[in-house]
Amino acid sequence: AQSVTQPDIHITVSEGASLELRCNYSYGATPYLFWYVQSPGQGLQLLLKYFSGDTLVQGIKGFEAEFKRSQSSFNLRKPSVHWSDAAEYFCAVGGYQKVTFGIGTKLQVIP
Amino acid sequence: GAVVSQHPSRVICKSGTSVKIECRSLDFQATTMFWYRQFPKQSLMLMATSNEGSKATYEQGVEKDKFLINHASLTLSTLTVTSAHPEDSSFYICSALGQDYPLNTEAFFGQGTRLTVV
Repeated sequence: AQSVTQPDIHITVSEGASLELRCNYSYGATPYLFWYVQSPGQGLQLLLKYFSGDTLVQGIKGFEAEFKRSQSSFNLRKPSVHWSDAAEYFCAVGGYQKVTFGIGTKLQVIP
Repeated sequence: GAVVSQHPSRVICKSGTSVKIECRSLDFQATTMFWYRQFPKQSLMLMATSNEGSKATYEQGVEKDKFLINHASLTLSTLTVTSAHPEDSSFYICSALGQDYPLNTEAFFGQGTRLTVV
């Protein structure tokens, strides 16, 4: 069975500081990995995805994520956080059809 | 990119009534759509997988007679919450797999529907 763990439920960072959101997955084969962002009361927007190839993936809004097979991780990073990045972030692992989400990490950005 | 439209975005209904939520893929054909439920401060829980022209596959613990799913065309799936109760109040989100998933695309999500049962 596939599963996703996001160990940090809530993170607070200062505007301009760097950010790393952790994600660990469990999947029996080569995983398809995603990061989504959700603003309050809204649907989900894809930030980036990994299917194969280069393990460092660039996404929208200045985000990147690195796939580390040995650690079963797919952590999301951003070098300098903006106030508009405050939202909830979901890591997900996809198989042939089913996509399983982590519990989410709520990001708060302080001035 | 591909767009999935979900309607309505908000609905308030009386206890005991039924509510229908629509999920449309606007510029692509989606043979598979998913319905998720999100409780406050929790992740998205997959309720069911909707396949065009066949019966939906429900996740364990989801009442198929309460959450009726119909996927009558390649661009439309509907979720009907029957005999709604206050505990059904939640945020429901649909998603559709883009063409050539997962190689060239991903799952696209609707805007979500906030259901409140009073």
